[in-house]
Amino acid sequence: GIQVEQSPPDLILQEGANSTLRCNFSDSVNNLQWFHQNPWGQLINLFYIPSGTKQNGRLSATTVATERYSLLYISSSQTTDSGVYFCAVENFNKFYFGSGTKLNVKP
Amino acid sequence: SQTIHQWPATLVQPVGSPLSLECTVEGTSNPNLYWYRQAAGRGLQLLFYSVGIGQISSEVPQNLSASRPQDRQFILSSKKLLLSDSGFYLCAAAVGGLGNEQFFGPGTRLTVL
Repeated sequence: GIQVEQSPPDLILQEGANSTLRCNFSDSVNNLQWFHQNPWGQLINLFYIPSGTKQNGRLSATTVATERYSLLYISSSQTTDSGVYFCAVENFNKFYFGSGTKLNVKP
Repeated sequence: SQTIHQWPATLVQPVGSPLSLECTVEGTSNPNLYWYRQAAGRGLQLLFYSVGIGQISSEVPQNLSASRPQDRQFILSSKKLLLSDSGFYLCAAAVGGLGNEQFFGPGTRLTVL
């Protein structure tokens, strides 16, 4: 299967700081998604981004499919951004998840 | 847009008891359906996926089974639960064909005692 590596595994930020999360994957994929898992366990879709750049408020993402990586940018972080961020790639109907980045934003 | 329902939200079961978790999808037809398990503080492990009624692919040999009796219904079962079956079970649906986008239900937290 496809290997998905996320970095860093843990991240502590002061409120208002910016951060970049990275996702590397080992093979060509049809799709890449970023999710945020909130404290209740719900996985929230952030971006569907097989290639290119997208922005949604303080969050943006870039996927460079030819180099097999994606970046998630969080600007002006807030305490509500805390949780675990997962990257997932899809190939032939199967999804492969990274192990996540656990983000803690302190007030 | 699609909505994914899972129940129950939480479940405490004794070792050796049976299990049935249900997932239903609204707002789309012919989705690919998935069951994942997440241990505490860990990533998601794909257990089963289905591309159509009666079609089940198993990813990890284990104590669990899955069935898809209807287009938008996916069931996770066990005849006899083990302690190691404890975890957070998530159902997901993917729509859109190749390069499809995946959406998750709220999950079931299972504790086996």
